[in-house]
Amino acid sequence: AQKITQTQPGMFVQEKEAVTLDCTYDTSDQSYGLFWYKQPSSGEMIFLIYQGSYDEQNATEGRYSLNFQKARKSANLVISASQLGDSAMYFCAMREPLNTGNQFYFGTGTSLTVIP
Amino acid sequence: NAGVTQTPKFRILKIGQSMTLQCAQDMNHNYMYWYRQDPGMGLKLIYYSVGAGITDKGEVPNGYNVSRSTTEDFPLRLELAAPSQTSVYFCASTGQGKTEAFFGQGTRLTVV
Repeated sequence: AQKITQTQPGMFVQEKEAVTLDCTYDTSDQSYGLFWYKQPSSGEMIFLIYQGSYDEQNATEGRYSLNFQKARKSANLVISASQLGDSAMYFCAMREPLNTGNQFYFGTGTSLTVIP
Repeated sequence: NAGVTQTPKFRILKIGQSMTLQCAQDMNHNYMYWYRQDPGMGLKLIYYSVGAGITDKGEVPNGYNVSRSTTEDFPLRLELAAPSQTSVYFCASTGQGKTEAFFGQGTRLTVV
């Protein structure tokens, strides 16, 4: 089974609007971390936001927020007030500390295009 | 603060050639990883290390080898390059606890 599932290969959003990128995860551990990364066309991986499994509040970082629904095992990224520079690939990832190697599992990504 | 440094950034190999992708981190991280990213796809784990002297296979290890003689360095060796190894390779590292993975800039490898 896939550890991380991102079901939206591509998304479009109007500039200044909000957009939600979906992510579901699969784990039997109680302790885990969820991450979102941005990969612009230049190729680097940019860390955006982190949510711990025991965190009761949704994480926020500037215009990024993580809608964490533990019972549904979802960790959707919300980008508010989209900007042209937000056009990029977005990857959801999970870290399971109890697993050997503290491995990170990545989804297949969502390509976001911001329309002027 | 250099973070994770990968070299080279680009490389073209002929089928059957070998090469080593270098990766170094200066954050004293125990955990290091090598991923490959094929066009339009996510990241697949090739090898990882939990500390100096300890390495283990990830999801797609065939055709690759690694070593971890120091905490800082985690080179990836490609033996007998094949066209299927054409990809972008990322090295990453992380520490204990709630830390994210820090990535190098990536190496774009083409095997012809």
